[in-house]
Amino acid sequence: KNQVEQSPQSLIILEGKNCTLQCNYTVSPFSNLRWYKQDTGRGPVSLTIMTFSENTKSNGRYTATLDADTKQSSLHITASQLSDSASYICVAGYNQGGKLIFGQGTELSVKP
Amino acid sequence: KAGVTQTPRYLIKTRGQQVTLSCSPISGHRSVSWYQQTPGQGLQFLFEYFSETQRNKGNFPGRFSGRQFSNSRSEMNVSTLELGDSALYLCASSLESPYNEQFFGPGTRLTVL
Repeated sequence: KNQVEQSPQSLIILEGKNCTLQCNYTVSPFSNLRWYKQDTGRGPVSLTIMTFSENTKSNGRYTATLDADTKQSSLHITASQLSDSASYICVAGYNQGGKLIFGQGTELSVKP
Repeated sequence: KAGVTQTPRYLIKTRGQQVTLSCSPISGHRSVSWYQQTPGQGLQFLFEYFSETQRNKGNFPGRFSGRQFSNSRSEMNVSTLELGDSALYLCASSLESPYNEQFFGPGTRLTVL
């Protein structure tokens, strides 16, 4: 069954600290892995997109890694800010037709 | 460049009614996808349209339908509303397919009473 699992479900960190969010996927044939940030009441915003041949991709303080062999991805946030408080959603794409499987998201709360 | 717009932003309906939601993609984008987001299920794919044709479809009942116009604008319709249809409905546009980067709209919050 094609699915995406994220951990932890929720996370609370202090402003300025780093954190890492995890994503395990089982989709076949795998084509790409995405991370989105969704603020409360808004649509998701793309952070990174990686194909199976890419190991890491950065977007400012966000760095995503991908291990296609173990089917794992992580999103590392450096020097967190209050504005990083949001839901982070991992999405795996499979088949060239553009089908996507969404994880349940990790709810991150950054406290002052 | 204007982003993806969705109307209305909020909607309250009663069971049994039907509803139509609208999505205007980013100019030049031809692929429009619709998603349902609920706290329990997360984001679930409804369907994708390209060149006025439904190209992909998720596992939702036939009460959920959509269409796309020649200017790439899209509408989705839900008939015979049920309480469980209460959700945030998100539209996303991309150049040619969801395989490209997707840009999401702000969503329409539907409440069914």
